[in-house]
Amino acid sequence: AQKVTQAQTEISVVEKEDVTLDCVYETRDTTYYLFWYKQPPSGELVFLIRRNSFDEQNEISGRYSWNFQKSTSSFNFTITASQVVDSAVYFCALSDRNYQLIWGAGTKLIIKP
Amino acid sequence: KAGVTQTPRYLIKTRGQQVTLSCSPISGHRSVSWYQQTPGQGLQFLFEYFSETQRNKGNFPGRFSGRQFSNSRSEMNVSTLELGDSALYLCASSSQGQSYNEQFFGPGTRLTVL
Repeated sequence: AQKVTQAQTEISVVEKEDVTLDCVYETRDTTYYLFWYKQPPSGELVFLIRRNSFDEQNEISGRYSWNFQKSTSSFNFTITASQVVDSAVYFCALSDRNYQLIWGAGTKLIIKP
Repeated sequence: KAGVTQTPRYLIKTRGQQVTLSCSPISGHRSVSWYQQTPGQGLQFLFEYFSETQRNKGNFPGRFSGRQFSNSRSEMNVSTLELGDSALYLCASSSQGQSYNEQFFGPGTRLTVL
């Protein structure tokens, strides 16, 4: 069965620290997509990245970076030099063979000033 | 470009009643997905509509239904409300579908069932 595990329920760091959010997935499919979304306190989820299963290149976007490793079925997200505005709940999701998204439970990230 | 809008933003109902929530996607988007979010169950997929056809359905009872109109606007209906239906209902639109490309989410409708 398809599954996404975000083992970290909540992470708290001090501003400017680096932080990594873990995402481990399970799937038997060879073709799939992985996503990260951010839900700030305002409530609206915001898309961050989509990665397909054939592209294992790491991605960097400003202070954000993603490490996709098929060997460990992980798609981890790192924020470098965290800021208070990064405080949010972050969700990892996997598309299944029925083109439906399977969502992780989310990781609440608290950045203290 | 206007974002995804959802109405109403807040709703209070009593058990046994029914409710209809509305979602207007971003112009040009043909896919609309609905999600239920609760502290206990997290984010759960309800259904997805694409060009007026239900393309996917989550694991929810038949009391939850939806539809999509020719202008891509979508409604979801919950009949015979239960206390456990209290949640934030999120709508998301995308051009190709929830698993193909990014989704744009609305602010949600907060439903409270008393």
